[in-house]
Amino acid sequence: GAGVSQSPSNKVTEKGKDVELRCDPISGHTALYWYRQSLGQGLEFLIYFQGNSAPDKSGLPSDRFSAERTGGSVSTLTIQRTQQEDSAVYLCASSLAHGTNEQFFGPGTRLTVL
Amino acid sequence: RKEVEQDPGPFNVPEGATVAFNCTYSNSASQSFFWYRQDCRKEPKLLMSVYSSGNEDGRFTAQLNRASQYISLLIRDSKLSDSATYLCVVPWRGYQKVTFGTGTKLQVIP
Repeated sequence: GAGVSQSPSNKVTEKGKDVELRCDPISGHTALYWYRQSLGQGLEFLIYFQGNSAPDKSGLPSDRFSAERTGGSVSTLTIQRTQQEDSAVYLCASSLAHGTNEQFFGPGTRLTVL
Repeated sequence: RKEVEQDPGPFNVPEGATVAFNCTYSNSASQSFFWYRQDCRKEPKLLMSVYSSGNEDGRFTAQLNRASQYISLLIRDSKLSDSATYLCVVPWRGYQKVTFGTGTKLQVIP
């Protein structure tokens, strides 16, 4: 009964470096979501995957952000040339299928860009 | 109008009080709505779903007003453990996009 897992839990990086964040959804969940949450702010929707495809990538903040999902399971969110404003908690969630109600969230990756 | 709008609070209420939060949304086509709860430095967790006129679960009641495009969350007999941030969630276009409100912070005081 493992839940959604994310790694690393914390990441400190220098401005300009690339980072890769990983999300392992609940087994059998076909829908996967990425959000980010800045300190004291609400959740900002980034991207949604149904299976391996992302119908709409317009939520990604800039072209430095990309995400992929392979094998209908693990997803990676990559941020290239990180900036200080990228510092936030990046949350991943999965749900059983497209259009079902409950999203199960992982614990998040806290990214700090120095 | 923002896609999803919530009063950020904080709402400071004594134990046992009844408190209500509203959430307004702009997309009249949205069919389902959700309330999530987020404890400090934790991930959000589903509290209630709202599909039609409303939903009740123990001390919690969620209602939907489609004409005015808002959903509400009512908490009766507040407990200290209810202290958290309550997030309103509106999926769009068949869940291809999901908008979370910025949340309403509730602090229940002894």
